[in-house]
Parts: sequence; structure tokens; C-alpha cells
Amino acid sequence: TQLLEQSPQFLSIQEGENLTVYCNSSSVFSSLQWYRQEPGEGPVLLVTVVTGGEVKKLKRLTFQFGDARKDSSLHITAAQPGDTGLYLCAGMEPGSGGGADGLTFGKGTHLIIQP
Amino acid sequence: DAGVIQSPRHEVTEMGQEVTLRCKPISGHDYLFWYRQTMMRGLELLIYFNNNVPIDDSGMPEDRFSAKMPNASFSTLKIQPSEPRDSAVYFCASSFRHYGYTFGSGTRLTVV
Repeated sequence: TQLLEQSPQFLSIQEGENLTVYCNSSSVFSSLQWYRQEPGEGPVLLVTVVTGGEVKKLKRLTFQFGDARKDSSLHITAAQPGDTGLYLCAGMEPGSGGGADGLTFGKGTHLIIQP
Repeated sequence: DAGVIQSPRHEVTEMGQEVTLRCKPISGHDYLFWYRQTMMRGLELLIYFNNNVPIDDSGMPEDRFSAKMPNASFSTLKIQPSEPRDSAVYFCASSFRHYGYTFGSGTRLTVV
């Protein structure tokens, strides 16, 4: 099973600031997903990136897949209290056929946006 | 669609008791997954089904855990007997093929 390291583990910033969180591995992934989980709820899929170097934007959130498809980042512009949550990345192993045994989750970044 | 529905939301039980967690996946989804989440270990895949057939149960911690999917709209995860170290949040998720998973709200299990 491939490992995904997410950093930082915890991040607390003021409303209006920008931030970037990272998802890194020494292994290549065929695709990578980002989820946000709010307290007491399950993770919710935000985006899937497939192509090396791909950049996707979701309002104030920008997701980038590394050129080598080993890492990804999530950048939030002008963070708001509603962005608070646990951000999880999950990578799909190449050749896994898309089966769930090929999807590896990182432990997440706990993000708190102070009003 | 109401999404993936799990019950109960919270379960407190005594060590040694049997616990059954329930899940109703999204209609039309062909994959169903059971995950366990703890602070220490994050999200761990326990077992998953494709078209109601168990495909991989290598993540099931031990024989005390079992899962069934008798039809496309219902699955159970059973722990018998339960132990304090089983305390965690258990999530069910479903997907169509391998495109992004939809998670339920989870069952918070506390074994005392």
C-alpha cells in the first residue's frame, strides 16, 4: 500500500488569509482526490485530478497535481470560517483497476479558520 | 437521492456485546465500502463490495468483524464480541464504478 503524507497536520489561521496544504508520496498515482470532512459528518469529494500538472479551481480553492503525479497541493485564497474542516487527499494506485483496494487516504490536514 | 444513509449515528455498548451497523447506499451505485476512522490511524478500508459481492476483506481487523450485503440497497457490518479498541467512527461509502466516493455521516461507536 502506498503512503500519502499530508502537511501540515494542523493549521489555524485568520479569516482572509491564504494557505496551502500538501499531499506527498514517493509513489506515482493514476489519479488523486481531495475531500473535505466537517465535524460529525463523512468526507465530501471536492475534486479529482488525473493528469500530471493539472490545475483545477473550485471558487477560492485551487488544486494542483504534480507533474510526476506523486504529489498534490490545495491552495485556499481569502479563507473563510466555512472552510474549516479536515482536508483529506486520496490517491489511486496505477494498475489497480480502480478498485477500492487501490485508493489510499492520507491522514488529513485539520484546518481552522478564525473569524 | 438522500445520499448514503447509515444507522445508528451513535452507539454505546459494553465490551463483549454484539454491534450491528447498517448502511443504505445510493441507488445505482455498484460499489460499497466500509471504512473506520480514528485520530491515530485515519481512514482505514475494512471491506468493499462490487455488485453485492465482497471483493476484498483484507482490512477487516479480525474474525470478530463480519460484513454482508444481501442486496443492492443494504449492507451490515457486525462486530461480535465488541472490544474497547473497536471504538471509532465507522463510515459506509458508495460509488458508481471508481468515480469519487459518497460517504454517509458515519456511526460513532463507543465500547466501554
